[in-house]
Amino acid sequence: DILLTQSPAILSVSPGERVSFSCRASQSIGTSIHWYQQRTNGSPRLLIKYASESISGIPSRFSGSGSGTDFTLSINSVESEDIADYYCQQSNSWPITFGAGTKLELK
Amino acid sequence: QVQLQQSGAELVRPGTSVKISCKASGYTFTNYWLGWVKQRPGHGLEWIGDIYPGGGYTNYNEKFKGKATLTADTSSSTAYMQLSSLTSEDSAVYFCARSAARAYFDYWGQGTTLTVSS
Repeated sequence: DILLTQSPAILSVSPGERVSFSCRASQSIGTSIHWYQQRTNGSPRLLIKYASESISGIPSRFSGSGSGTDFTLSINSVESEDIADYYCQQSNSWPITFGAGTKLELK
Repeated sequence: QVQLQQSGAELVRPGTSVKISCKASGYTFTNYWLGWVKQRPGHGLEWIGDIYPGGGYTNYNEKFKGKATLTADTSSSTAYMQLSSLTSEDSAVYFCARSAARAYFDYWGQGTTLTVSS
């Protein structure tokens, strides 16, 4: 199975700051990585597909980059509503796997 | 609009089985794979498997073979996941999610909380 390692486990930010989340795959997966946001007691919400492709209805402050084994999700200017857990997911090979997540909290 | 409405929370005894439902609306049910995901505190998200209601095809994570059985009723646009021989390790929130391009999940149900306890 492909292991996805997300770092750090927790990110503390102030509103308006730029923040980046890292996801590293245990083997090369091209751009078959997707990012989700999960607020407390909520369901995951798709933010970015195929590493950098935007999703309709998702604010433009969210962007993704990377290929191969190293991927990044960025939030250009954090807002209070962005406080949540963020997960990466790979679809390069079965089974589909998710990273353990990064928790975004306010300073 | 696309919606996935899951059945309510379950409290069941160890050793028994449970069947969770996921009713789809707002799209053609038979045209998309539908996946199931398990979430436990400290264990992140785990993909259980998926089903293609249009043909009844299923695909399982090896880890959940023998534990989960996926079915779908096209007449009611409802997918089901049966979990058998339940233990405390099966206590979790279970999500159904529409699988676009069989790669990512673009719509999710609200989750069903399963508690296995005597």
